[in-house]
Amino acid sequence: AQRVTQPEKLLSVFKGAPVELKCNYSYSGSPELFWYVQYSRQRLQLLLRHISRESIKGFTADLNKGETSFHLKKPFAQEEDSAMYYCALSDGGATNKLIFGTGTLLAVQP
Amino acid sequence: GAVVSQHPSWVICKSGTSVKIECRSLDFQATTMFWYRQFPKQSLMLMATSNEGSKATYEQGVEKDKFLINHASLTLSTLTVTSAHPEDSSFYICSAPIPGEGFTDTQYFGPGTRLTVL
Repeated sequence: AQRVTQPEKLLSVFKGAPVELKCNYSYSGSPELFWYVQYSRQRLQLLLRHISRESIKGFTADLNKGETSFHLKKPFAQEEDSAMYYCALSDGGATNKLIFGTGTLLAVQP
Repeated sequence: GAVVSQHPSWVICKSGTSVKIECRSLDFQATTMFWYRQFPKQSLMLMATSNEGSKATYEQGVEKDKFLINHASLTLSTLTVTSAHPEDSSFYICSAPIPGEGFTDTQYFGPGTRLTVL
């Protein structure tokens, strides 16, 4: 079954510290993986997708098919990074459906 | 950029009444839209895929007679919660896709509608 697991509900770090938000998935085919972010009082928005292989707001994520992981990383956290982060998986375009993880709340302390 | 709106942003209703929630793509057309439900401090759960001009596709466990979806135009999908009960209280979010990089379209999300059933 398709599943996205985010083991941490809350991750609290100090400003300037490295950040890693964990995401593991299970899918039998070739999924596409995404990170969505929801800042306080704002709607959900796309942060990055694995196929782009680019850095957005200093965040990167590498798809590791062997470990079925797609962890989100940033070397130096900023206070404005505080938000809810959701890892999501799609079936590669067959239906455009997204399966979301439970989300991780990132709190960056000053 | 692409914008998806929802109306109303919040609604309170009495048990047994029906509530309609609108989802609009403001500056693009969408042949499909998606409806999600989000419980407090939980993830988004896909409820159904709304298809313009045809029947919606519901996810397993979602009552189609309870959650009526109509996609009447390329910019509007509606979700009607029929005979609402307190357990239907939740945050309902819609999204509409736009083709982008990769095989999966980029989803643009509405701001959500908070439904409270008394």
